[in-house]
Amino acid sequence: KNEVEQSPQNLTAQEGEFITINCSYSVGISALHWLQQHPGGGIVSLFMLSSGKKKHGRLIATINIQEKHSSLHITASHPRDSAVYICAVFPTLNTDKLIFGTGTRLQVFP
Amino acid sequence: DGGITQSPKYLFRKEGQNVTLSCEQNLNHDAMYWYRQDPGQGLRLIYYSQIVNDFQKGDIAEGYSVSREKKESFPLTVTSAQKNPTAFYLCASSMSSGSYQPQHFGDGTRLSIL
Repeated sequence: KNEVEQSPQNLTAQEGEFITINCSYSVGISALHWLQQHPGGGIVSLFMLSSGKKKHGRLIATINIQEKHSSLHITASHPRDSAVYICAVFPTLNTDKLIFGTGTRLQVFP
Repeated sequence: DGGITQSPKYLFRKEGQNVTLSCEQNLNHDAMYWYRQDPGQGLRLIYYSQIVNDFQKGDIAEGYSVSREKKESFPLTVTSAQKNPTAFYLCASSMSSGSYQPQHFGDGTRLSIL
């Protein structure tokens, strides 16, 4: 079983829909990283959080340390949001190395 | 603009050949990382370096080698000992390792076998 699990693996939506991507992890962590991988392969950092909630534009990330769960929400989704969203955690015992989930592939149709 | 530059974008390797992937950053970051991405799997760490002239093996270092002679450069060599090199390779950097610093990624190099 992977230490970082994401759901769903694939997600399709119509433009304007509210999107939720989930990340659960089984190790103690110092922080969690949400990343976006574009169709060409480049990766962009979206959020890093260790508690509570962060918001940037239409993106919202939340984390519940007790439940070992994080969610990434996209409000008013747009076709340009189509990408792979990756959750990664910094384990408490080894903050040098990120542990990555396998990603959630999102397609937003007009 | 500061960032990470990986080259080439596509690379082809013949059997028995070593190839080197370039990674350069102008973010003045101390730590640099190499990851491998295969379909359906999360990114896996190959090597990382916390400072110049020092580097550590990651989870899948066999068949790869690196050097860190300059702060801004961290090239990865895929040797002939790596029997399944076809993958997407990503380089990343962070201000320092530890203390959960966010990592910044390049656009990747796709390596294929001829």
